Amino acid sequence: DAGITQSPRHKVTETGTPVTLRCHQTENHRYMYWYRQDPGHGLRLIHYSYGVKDTDKGEVSDGYSVSRSKTEDFLLTLESATSSQTSVYFCAISDPGGGHLNTEAFFGQGTRLTVV
Amino acid sequence: ILNVEQSPQSLHVQEGDSTNFTCSFPSSNFYALHWYRWETAKSPEALFVMTLNGDEKKKGRISATLNTKEGYSYLYIKGSQPEDSATYLCAWNSNSGYALNFGKGTSLLVTP
Repeated sequence: DAGITQSPRHKVTETGTPVTLRCHQTENHRYMYWYRQDPGHGLRLIHYSYGVKDTDKGEVSDGYSVSRSKTEDFLLTLESATSSQTSVYFCAISDPGGGHLNTEAFFGQGTRLTVV
Repeated sequence: ILNVEQSPQSLHVQEGDSTNFTCSFPSSNFYALHWYRWETAKSPEALFVMTLNGDEKKKGRISATLNTKEGYSYLYIKGSQPEDSATYLCAWNSNSGYALNFGKGTSLLVTP
């Protein structure tokens, strides 16, 4: 299994509070992604990173920010959590080297976030 | 956002049936097409990554084809088994960015 760890695995938080999810990899992969999984929507891309301090928005980025200060960590922050952000969040990594996009992505185990 | 579309949304077949799903994607700026298998309570796992028009890949009873000019890929499962029950996702890379965008998936249920 690819070395990807998401933390926490489960979290319940109150509306309006900030929340940070962490994705940690030990594979030295270049690309890292944050997705959310909701019924009827599959996996929707929130933000992604193509290198240290290089990030970009996905299709559902509103209300989320990210940071990647080192290769192994990609943080997803909900600045002020809302109930609509209740979801399962998946981190993924790809590209062990060479800058190629045509390599498979490996996924973390997911973080279940509930905003009450 | 350019959409990746998958059909059907769900499929219920009997053990031993062969089945196929479709993934359509933007044909412009194509770079790579991925297929993933996602079992309940687990994380998605890669089946294939394809880049060349006309490419065909096979893994056991599962195979996939790619048509980049018209923007579609087929995933075939020969002789479905109950353990094939899962959601099958396709995802698309363009050559103008680094995003990996997924379709909504096809949910397959194979009953004995």
